[in-house]
Amino acid sequence: DQQVKQNSPSLSVQEGRISILNCDYTNSMFDYFLWYKKYPAEGPTFLISISSIKDKNEDGRFTVFLNKSAKHLSLHIVPSQPGDSAVYFCAAREQNSGGSNYKLTFGKGTLLTVNP
Amino acid sequence: NAGVTQTPKFQVLKTGQSMTLQCAQDMNHEYMSWYRQDPGMGLRLIHYSVGAGITDQGEVPNGYNVSRSTTEDFPLRLLSAAPSQTSVYFCASSYYGRDEQYFGPGTRLTVT
Repeated sequence: DQQVKQNSPSLSVQEGRISILNCDYTNSMFDYFLWYKKYPAEGPTFLISISSIKDKNEDGRFTVFLNKSAKHLSLHIVPSQPGDSAVYFCAAREQNSGGSNYKLTFGKGTLLTVNP
Repeated sequence: NAGVTQTPKFQVLKTGQSMTLQCAQDMNHEYMSWYRQDPGMGLRLIHYSVGAGITDQGEVPNGYNVSRSTTEDFPLRLLSAAPSQTSVYFCASSYYGRDEQYFGPGTRLTVT
């Protein structure tokens, strides 16, 4: 049973427009959420995170929104650039993980393609 | 500062063979983990370690062993390879309490 779901396998947007990647979760014990970006033949790299006590976190062009009641989060990229083309993974951590992020549950990922 | 390194990059094994995937980090991170990624799947945690001498199982530990004798190294052993272990394996490390988990470039393993 998937606890972290990314229901869109792929997303295509035009350069300069907004990209919105969605993630849903089922485990109410998750208290911390992260987004990772992965290019082909490379390991994932951390992008941005959000604690369950917040509903928004922003870092430059990247903003993550969390709706706890809906168990839904989204990553907004504005403006999108061709270099943003990659697979984006949503990940979540349970409250009993001792405050560290080593034990994460990942979604299946969404392939974002930003067209010039 | 090399970050997280993994060797080999590619490996082909026959069913029943054993091998060790190497992982090393030079950032003095307490935590290290092994994940596998299969087509159309997210990363799944195999084993993790919170420090030298301490390891624990993740979501999919069967068929794999780990040990952590030093802070820097966290090898993953396949005792008797099976085709179901064909996957891309990622090692990761992080400081306690930090958001960012650093991943290695991965090892692509094929078991025939």
